[in-house]
Amino acid sequence: SAVISQKPSRDICQRGTSLTIQCQVDSQVTMMFWYRQQPGQSLTLIATANQGSEATYESGFVIDKFPISRPNLTFSTLTVSNMSPEDSSIYLCSVEAVHESTEAFFGQGTRLTVV
Amino acid sequence: QQPVQSPQAVILREGEDAVINCSSSKALYSVHWYRQKHGEAPVFLMILLKGGEQKGHDKISASFNEKKQQSSLYLTASQLSYSGTYFCGTEDGATNKLIFGTGTLLAVQP
Repeated sequence: SAVISQKPSRDICQRGTSLTIQCQVDSQVTMMFWYRQQPGQSLTLIATANQGSEATYESGFVIDKFPISRPNLTFSTLTVSNMSPEDSSIYLCSVEAVHESTEAFFGQGTRLTVV
Repeated sequence: QQPVQSPQAVILREGEDAVINCSSSKALYSVHWYRQKHGEAPVFLMILLKGGEQKGHDKISASFNEKKQQSSLYLTASQLSYSGTYFCGTEDGATNKLIFGTGTLLAVQP
């Protein structure tokens, strides 16, 4: 299993500013994933973060808006840049266990409100 | 492409059964099922692997039809604790990315 500490748990930010979300895992993992969940919606994958290489972004998400760092096998950050009210969402990081096709583990999420 | 779930929402009385379906337009490597309660992270229920058998625990089970690219989640004798939003997740075998379905809101009433 994996225990993920994600922070902050929530924040209220002014439009035009940036917020960096941190995700710390208690074990080494190859891939970390960042999701966005808008109110009442499903989870949408933003990007896959691999250690030692640039993140791979899904369609509709770009590095300038959501820069990701992955400095080691237990830590990653997601920055939401130049925020607008449309960025108000819950952001979750996730990892899979070492072996393939096992459950995904999630951080508790960051509830972001942009005003 | 995001898997499509049906129904979108269902209301049950305690003790009733429900079936949630998940349909993908892509060939499936595996299917995950998660339940999410309001304000919480998704919680893992089970995984079905390609070529695997129907799985289940307690009164929740699931099936996986590879040819039809579909999976179904079966909840029997529902309990109040079953309330939440259920998501299927389809896994890309090459990238290990998990793409979540559209979700099904389940409400169990006394």
